[in-house]
Amino acid sequence: EIVLTQSPGTLSLSPGERATLSCRASQSVSSYNFAWYQQKPGQAPRLLIYGASSRATGIPDRFRGSGSGTDFTLTISRLEPEDFAVYYCQHYGSSPGTFGQGTKLEIK
Amino acid sequence: EVQLVQSGAEVKKPGESLKISCKGSGYSFTNYWIGWVRQMPGKGLEWMGIIYPGDSDTIYSPSFQGQVTISADKSISTAFLQWRSLKASDTAMYYCARPLSGGSRRDPFEIWGQGTMVTVSS
Repeated sequence: EIVLTQSPGTLSLSPGERATLSCRASQSVSSYNFAWYQQKPGQAPRLLIYGASSRATGIPDRFRGSGSGTDFTLTISRLEPEDFAVYYCQHYGSSPGTFGQGTKLEIK
Repeated sequence: EVQLVQSGAEVKKPGESLKISCKGSGYSFTNYWIGWVRQMPGKGLEWMGIIYPGDSDTIYSPSFQGQVTISADKSISTAFLQWRSLKASDTAMYYCARPLSGGSRRDPFEIWGQGTMVTVSS
């Protein structure tokens, strides 16, 4: 089973700044099967990025996914107040579809 | 509108049984896998298993195999998650979710239910 490790655990930034979130896989995975989700308190997760770099429907272009092999990155170019949330990466190329443990993006 | 609507919150005692539901609408229910995801209080997301309502093909995470049963009734466009004997450690929010593409279980979850909170306490 593939293990996904996200870093940092918590990221403290201010609105307008750039956020860089990382996810490392325990073995090389296809970027075709890699996603990022956003979860706000009291809400279900929302799909942001799939195929490592494709934005889901309705996701603003300030969200950008990149990476390949074992290292993947979610970049939020200019943080908006609504972007402060928990972010999860996922590999869905095999079952179980493993999630990372999450990165909390909090307001500094 | 494509949506998944889950059954309401449950409070149960250890040892009791439970079946929660997830009703799909706005799309062809039999042509998309439905997955279940656990989120324990204050914790992350855990992939539990997935079912294809068209033929009830089901895959479980090793962590949840034998602990829960996933089923579906395509006549009412509803998937289910069931426990025979609940434990306190089953206390969590449970989400159902539908993958992005029809017919593929190797897809990200695009559509999510609102979640069902299950509390197990004596």
